[in-house]
Amino acid sequence: EVLLLESGGGLVQPGGSLRLSCAASGFTFSDYHMSWVRQAPGKGLEWVSAISGSGDSTYYADSVKGRFSISRDNFKNTLFLQMNSLRAEDMAVYYCAKRVRPAGGHFEYWGQGTLVTVSS
Amino acid sequence: EIVMTQSPATLSVSPGERATLSCRASQSVRSNLAWYQQEPGQAPRVLIYDASTRATGIPARFSGSGSGTEFTLTISSLQSEDFAVYYCQQYSNWPLTFGGGTKVEIK
Repeated sequence: EVLLLESGGGLVQPGGSLRLSCAASGFTFSDYHMSWVRQAPGKGLEWVSAISGSGDSTYYADSVKGRFSISRDNFKNTLFLQMNSLRAEDMAVYYCAKRVRPAGGHFEYWGQGTLVTVSS
Repeated sequence: EIVMTQSPATLSVSPGERATLSCRASQSVRSNLAWYQQEPGQAPRVLIYDASTRATGIPARFSGSGSGTEFTLTISSLQSEDFAVYYCQQYSNWPLTFGGGTKVEIK
């Protein structure tokens, strides 16, 4: 059974930093692209970032480019999102998600999300 | 960036009726389109992928059609558990993009 478990969310002040983690199990983690998708309160879904299975390739939404950094530890089957210079508009539930194919297709599995609150 | 536009934003339907949701892409995504359902407080779950293929365990009352820039999700006879928010998503190009969602509510 595929499981994705996010952690690391919490309250942070504007301009602060936070590191999210996603522990994965039930599949060969290193084979798959992984993504972060967020959802602001009462709003829709926004893809944030993705990383290839090897970690060599990374992708970012314009809204987070230069502030967020995605990485992974394939020995620990864990995905990370380092978030710096946080803004009020970054407040959201952050989901990690696995695509159906190693480098493409729809999001087959989602975690339950971790809430990031940006407020002074 | 490919912009995904869903309509309507809200759809009021009576149980047992048919619901038709639309999704338009700003440029062709071929058949690289998925539909997700999201209930309050829950993560999204995939209903349809590759524009028209039902995901595992999804009831036959859900169907998807379209290709290129115009897509439709049809729920043939709404059940109580179908009142939720529905999102389309393209996975043809980076960045991956979602539509703004359609809320299906009880009429």
